[in-house]
Amino acid sequence: AQSVTQPDIHITVSEGASLELRCNYSYGATPYLFWYVQSPGQGLQLLLKYFSGDTLVQGIKGFEAEFKRSQSSFNLRKPSVHWSDAAEYFCAVGEASGTYKYIFGTGTRLKVLA
Amino acid sequence: DAGITQSPRHKVTETGTPVTLRCHQTENHRYMYWHRQDPGHGLRLIHYSYGVKDTDKGEVSDGYSVSRSKTEDFLLTLESATSSQTSVYFCAISDFGSGNTEAFFGQGTRLTVV
Repeated sequence: AQSVTQPDIHITVSEGASLELRCNYSYGATPYLFWYVQSPGQGLQLLLKYFSGDTLVQGIKGFEAEFKRSQSSFNLRKPSVHWSDAAEYFCAVGEASGTYKYIFGTGTRLKVLA
Repeated sequence: DAGITQSPRHKVTETGTPVTLRCHQTENHRYMYWHRQDPGHGLRLIHYSYGVKDTDKGEVSDGYSVSRSKTEDFLLTLESATSSQTSVYFCAISDFGSGNTEAFFGQGTRLTVV
């Protein structure tokens, strides 16, 4: 069965430090891959997406992610974290098999220290 | 922001009572989804729809039913609410097949079953 794993439940970084959030997926075909961010009490906002082309994709708010087929990974990165980046981050796979649905990871909660 | 409205935004109900949550979209997207979000579980798919009157089960569909009689509305019904259905429910829409692959989310409905 298709699955998405986010191994880090919580991550704490200092403001200005770099960030990498890990995501591994299990999917038979080339996946549609997404990163979403959720601020407290809010819905999910798309940060970036990947299906084909350049394996390094740029998103909003200064985030980027790199697709590595050999590692089945789609890790999210940011060179310098801002206090406003504190939120929960979800990796997701879009499964296209006749119909189309999304499989989400369990999320990584990011805390930013001033 | 995508035009997605969930109602109600908050609800407290008693065990054993029926509850219906509504998702309304103004984007004319083909796909609509209901997810529930619980700590440690991320977002899990309850049911989804790929057209009017076309629905299918997700991974946590027991105790839930859905209906989609119009493109713009997707209803989630808890026939007899239980405490285990206390959760935050998110509606999402997608226009997959029309060049877009990402999902857009509503603001969520917080349901408490007492």
